[in-house]
Amino acid sequence: GNSVTQMEGPVTLSEEAFLTINCTYTATGYPSLFWYVQYPGEGLQLLLKATKADDKGSNKGFEATYRKETTSFHLEKGSVQVSDSAVYFCALIVPGNKLVFGAGTILRVKS
Amino acid sequence: EAGVAQSPRYKIIEKRQSVAFWCNPISGHATLYWYQQILGQGPKLLIQFQNNGVVDDSQLPKDRFSAERLKGVDSTLKIQPAKLEDSAVYLCASSLLGSKSYEQYFGPGTRLTVT
Repeated sequence: GNSVTQMEGPVTLSEEAFLTINCTYTATGYPSLFWYVQYPGEGLQLLLKATKADDKGSNKGFEATYRKETTSFHLEKGSVQVSDSAVYFCALIVPGNKLVFGAGTILRVKS
Repeated sequence: EAGVAQSPRYKIIEKRQSVAFWCNPISGHATLYWYQQILGQGPKLLIQFQNNGVVDDSQLPKDRFSAERLKGVDSTLKIQPAKLEDSAVYLCASSLLGSKSYEQYFGPGTRLTVT
């Protein structure tokens, strides 16, 4: 079946540190891949997406590259800020436009 | 452009009671989704509507959960009777039809606590 596995959190970093949150997936074919972010008290927001192999999605300094050979879509940011503290969800889309989410990774950034 | 609206934001009920959640999607969005997000897990799709028709309700516990989308706009999700394991955040999302249909816009959610 279709599933997404994310690294467990919480991930705690100091401001300006490098961030990687690992995400791997299992799916039939080559689904579009997404990272969503959930700030405290808010709904999920689309952070970035990639629709085919080797595509790189980017937004707000975050990047993720669709790697079909490793079925991965790791999220990276070169220098995190306190305001990046949130829960990050990796997801894929299956036929019928339905999202399948990973369990989420809590990121805490300390000043 | 107004986002997806949900109410109430928080609800506490006792087990075996009933509860209803309301969602107003972004204007013009034909597709509406209800997700259940249990603490420590990712959101799980409960039901998907396109206009006022159900596209997928395979994950909806139909013995206690029901949902409707009258007139293809607002939607209501009901739980009756509630169980302790229904404690979760209920998220509503909407999307356009067509080439942009991948992007789903989420509301702030309703946090349900069943005691």
